[in-house]
Amino acid sequence: DSGVTQTPKHLITATGQRVTLRCSPRSGDLSVYWYQQSLDQGLQFLIQYYNGEERAKGNILERFSAQQFPDLHSELNLSSLELGDSALYFCASSGQGFGYGYTFGSGTRLTVV
Amino acid sequence: GQQVMQIPQYQHVQEGEDFTTYCNSSTTLSNIQWYKQRPGGHPVFLIQLVKSGEVKKQKRLTFQFGEAKKNSSLHITATQTTDVGTYFCAGSSNNNDMRFGAGTRLTVKP
Repeated sequence: DSGVTQTPKHLITATGQRVTLRCSPRSGDLSVYWYQQSLDQGLQFLIQYYNGEERAKGNILERFSAQQFPDLHSELNLSSLELGDSALYFCASSGQGFGYGYTFGSGTRLTVV
Repeated sequence: GQQVMQIPQYQHVQEGEDFTTYCNSSTTLSNIQWYKQRPGGHPVFLIQLVKSGEVKKQKRLTFQFGEAKKNSSLHITATQTTDVGTYFCAGSSNNNDMRFGAGTRLTVKP
């Protein structure tokens, strides 16, 4: 157990639908990051939150949105889903300040059918 | 934007052989991190390099950060079957979000 909790572990949904992925960061970590990993591919950075505020944005589609709540958990919302959105979605958290290694959750495997 | 390139994409070695993966950035990095992802698992943080020319060792693993802070390498001496997985480098040029390379998938033949 890395300390970063992601739910659900697996999600199967139809095209056009909307889903919400949830992440609870490691205790004490203020930063949350979302990454997308397609089959056998690298990690594409989507978005970062720090203490409730958006800090950085990567290759996140307009159909996707995220937020971090006062208790520091984060949600990634994916809407108007397409087959190509099928992927592993990882959440990671890191400690305060510069240069802490990221602690990744086990990921949510999303399958769009 | 910031890009981190990693080669090779795949590496197959015989157990006991050495392995090296290389990471190059289009911009000067403030730091670089290395991660390992076992098959079916999630990335696990290995190490961070910050200083120009820095070299760090973890048992059979040696990590280097280039003098210009634009490249890095991970070298594994005498690979073992437990080394199997995908090794990612990740760099940041803005002290903020880390951008990951595509990873090098290592397979080790016993």
